[in-house]
Parts: sequence; structure tokens; C-alpha cells
Amino acid sequence: DAKTTQPNSMESNEEEPVHLPCNHSTISGTDYIHWYRQLPSQGPEYVIHGLTSNVNNRMASLAIAEDRKSSTLILHRATLRDAAVYYCILYAGNNRKLIWGLGTSLAVNP
Amino acid sequence: GAVVSQHPSWVICKSGTSVKIECRSLDFQATTMFWYRQFPKQSLMLMATSNEGSKATYEQGVEKDKFLINHASLTLSTLTVTSAHPEDSSFYICSARMRTGSLNSPLHFGNGTRLTVT
Repeated sequence: DAKTTQPNSMESNEEEPVHLPCNHSTISGTDYIHWYRQLPSQGPEYVIHGLTSNVNNRMASLAIAEDRKSSTLILHRATLRDAAVYYCILYAGNNRKLIWGLGTSLAVNP
Repeated sequence: GAVVSQHPSWVICKSGTSVKIECRSLDFQATTMFWYRQFPKQSLMLMATSNEGSKATYEQGVEKDKFLINHASLTLSTLTVTSAHPEDSSFYICSARMRTGSLNSPLHFGNGTRLTVT
């Protein structure tokens, strides 16, 4: 299973944009890139996912490198409620499993 | 939409007793549900995958006789921790994939169950 690499922690100020990087150099052609986040003592929450093209939704944007070996989750204006652990995961539909790393713990300063 | 309800949110039990955790998809049908375990400051570890009407598939190292999974309907899966011991204390999380979703569709998660075995 292809793995992802994320910084352990990042810090941001409220109302500023946040760029959360993820490296996945061994990604295969059928792997989708999924992002989830987990608030303390809660289950993960889906954020966004994509395959090749950049994606936008009401929560965030996902920028995928042309070679697909890295991606960046973009929170356009961080709020205190965005403080969470963000997981970048490769989802290979054929094995149906999500392989979870340790994610990036995002702190948002008021 | 796509709400997964997990119950109870926390439970304390004595060593040797069994605990049942329920996972319900409230507004969609889920053919596949996943059960995870998460220890403090660690990531989620997949325990088993359950498909409605069939036996669960357990990950390596997870005892199927200890962690009983039943997925009797398209909206309900249960995890029973039998003869619980203190080392089973953990945060248990379920997730579900929509019946109409593709294999790459996002998963929807419950809010987890904090199990403490004394």
C-alpha cells in the first residue's frame, strides 16, 4: 500500500490561509488522494478528495501536483474550529482500505 | 446528509465483561462498514471490514473471537468486545460507505466510542 508523508505539526493564525502538504511519491495511477480531519475525541471527518485535477468544495481546496507525487490541502481562511489533525490518505479502490498515517496536527492561533 | 451514529459515546466496564458498540447509518444504506481502533496520540488502525449479510474480514493480529462484528442490515453494524481487559481500553470508531457510492467514495465516520476497562 502506498504511503503518505506529512509534517507532524503546523501552526497558523486565524483568518489566514493554511497550506498543508502531503508527499506520496509511490502513488499508483488508480489511487485517489483523500483528506480527512479529526477533532479531539471525535471520529474523522471527510474534507476533500481528488485524482488528478485540483478540487474545490465549501471546506477546502486540493491542489495536486502534475506528477501526482504530492498534494496540498488549502484552507482559505483558518478558523479556531479548523484546529485538528489532518490526514492525507491514498485510497486504492481495489483493496478498499484506507491506510492512516499520523497526520498533521494543525494549531490555529487567535 | 450521510450521518453515522455511534453508540455509546463512552463506556466503562469491568474486566471480563463484554461490551457492544453500535454503528448506524441514519440517512443512507451502507453495504460496507469499517471498524477502527485508536490509541492515544496514534493513528487509526483498521480492525475489520464488514459487509452486510456476510462475515467480517479481520485485519492481521485482530482476534475475531474477541471482537465480534455483526452487520445484519444495511444500516446497522455492531462490534462486541468480549471478555474485555484493560489493554482493550481504546477509542473505537466505525465508518460506512454509501451503498450507492463507488469504491473511491468518501467514508462517513461515527463519533467514536471511548472504552475504558477497569
